[in-house]
Amino acid sequence: DAGITQSPRHKVTETGTPVTLRCHQTENHRYMYWYRQDPGHGLRLIHYSYGVKDTDKGEVSDGYSVSRSKTEDFLLTLESATSSQTSVYFCAIREEYEQYFGPGTRLTVT
Amino acid sequence: GNSVTQMEGPVTLSEEAFLTINCTYTATGYPSLFWYVQYPGEGLQLLLKATKADDKGSNKGFEATYRKETTSFHLEKGSVQVSDSAVYFCALLGGGSNYKLTFGKGTLLTVNP
Repeated sequence: DAGITQSPRHKVTETGTPVTLRCHQTENHRYMYWYRQDPGHGLRLIHYSYGVKDTDKGEVSDGYSVSRSKTEDFLLTLESATSSQTSVYFCAIREEYEQYFGPGTRLTVT
Repeated sequence: GNSVTQMEGPVTLSEEAFLTINCTYTATGYPSLFWYVQYPGEGLQLLLKATKADDKGSNKGFEATYRKETTSFHLEKGSVQVSDSAVYFCALLGGGSNYKLTFGKGTLLTVNP
């Protein structure tokens, strides 16, 4: 258990509304990641962080922003949710060469 | 860029059958390779890894060997159980990549009693 929690675990929201997902870790890991999982696509990296206030884009970053104001929290924001952002979102931390994943957040945009 | 191709599922086997899930990759340099498993309704768990050519990763009866000459990392298990039913993901970690993983699309395995 890498001490990763995600909140909320489930969310239904309407198109055009802002949504923020939270990833929280308790073990002071420097690197944190946000992925989305969709059928037929596996997991794709949205954004990642390599330290407080240090973030960079992944392969599917359009429509998403992130913030990391303290080591333990990494926030993913959908400024204006669209139906194409319906997905399961996973947070991960890096420990040496390995990544460990949180339990996921299922987001439905109607 | 880096990419991972794994066999498409779903794969359906009877208990005690032999399992192979193929995975090939494209990467610059010398990547590390991983298999992750996702049980229904859960997040991904690291199953095994190999960090250099000819390394064999193993865990819970599963094995995979890093073959640089064929750019492959096939997952095998000699005798599957119903409890192995899950989605399996092959992934690679390229050098100098800020430790970003590249995943295959996943293979759904169902094991019937």
